[in-house]
Amino acid sequence: GNSVTQMEGPVTLSEEAFLTINCTYTATGYPSLFWYVQYPGEGLQLLLKATKADDKGSNKGFEATYRKETTSFHLEKGSVQVSDSAVYFCALRGSADGLTFGKGTHLIIQP
Amino acid sequence: DAGVIQSPRHEVTEMGQEVTLRCKPISGHDYLFWYRQTMMRGLELLIYFNNNVPIDDSGMPEDRFSAKMPNASFSTLKIQPSEPRDSAVYFCASSLKEGQNSNQPQHFGDGTRLSIL
Repeated sequence: GNSVTQMEGPVTLSEEAFLTINCTYTATGYPSLFWYVQYPGEGLQLLLKATKADDKGSNKGFEATYRKETTSFHLEKGSVQVSDSAVYFCALRGSADGLTFGKGTHLIIQP
Repeated sequence: DAGVIQSPRHEVTEMGQEVTLRCKPISGHDYLFWYRQTMMRGLELLIYFNNNVPIDDSGMPEDRFSAKMPNASFSTLKIQPSEPRDSAVYFCASSLKEGQNSNQPQHFGDGTRLSIL
């Protein structure tokens, strides 16, 4: 079956640091890949997505590239802000319609 | 634009009681999903509907869980009888009809935090 593995948290960084959150997946066929963000007390919000190999999704300074050869979709941001503190979920959608999520990575940005 | 609306936001009840969670999807969306979030298991898909019809309920943990979608604008997730291990945050999400590349994003509600004592 499908699965998503992402790095354990919490990840603690200082403001303006470079961010990488690793995500790898296992799936048959050609899944679509997503990053969702969850702020405290809220539901998940779509951050970015990519639907085929070598696509790059980007939003709010975050980027992730769909790498089929390494089955990865790592999330990056060049300079994080305190407001980026949240839980980040990597997810995939394969042939079925529901999403398969990773366990989530709690990101803490310190001023 | 109104997003996905869930109610209640918080529910605390004693074990053995019936619990009903409610969801109003975004108008015009064809798909509705119910997820459960716990520290131990993360986010799990419980069931989803397409055009009000349940498509896949393989994620529903036990017969104590049931979900309905009587019309395009309303869905319920019911637990009867409830148990302490059902304590979790339950999310509802909706999305448009899938295109060929299945890249329609899911829009999530704010969740219902359920505590079973």
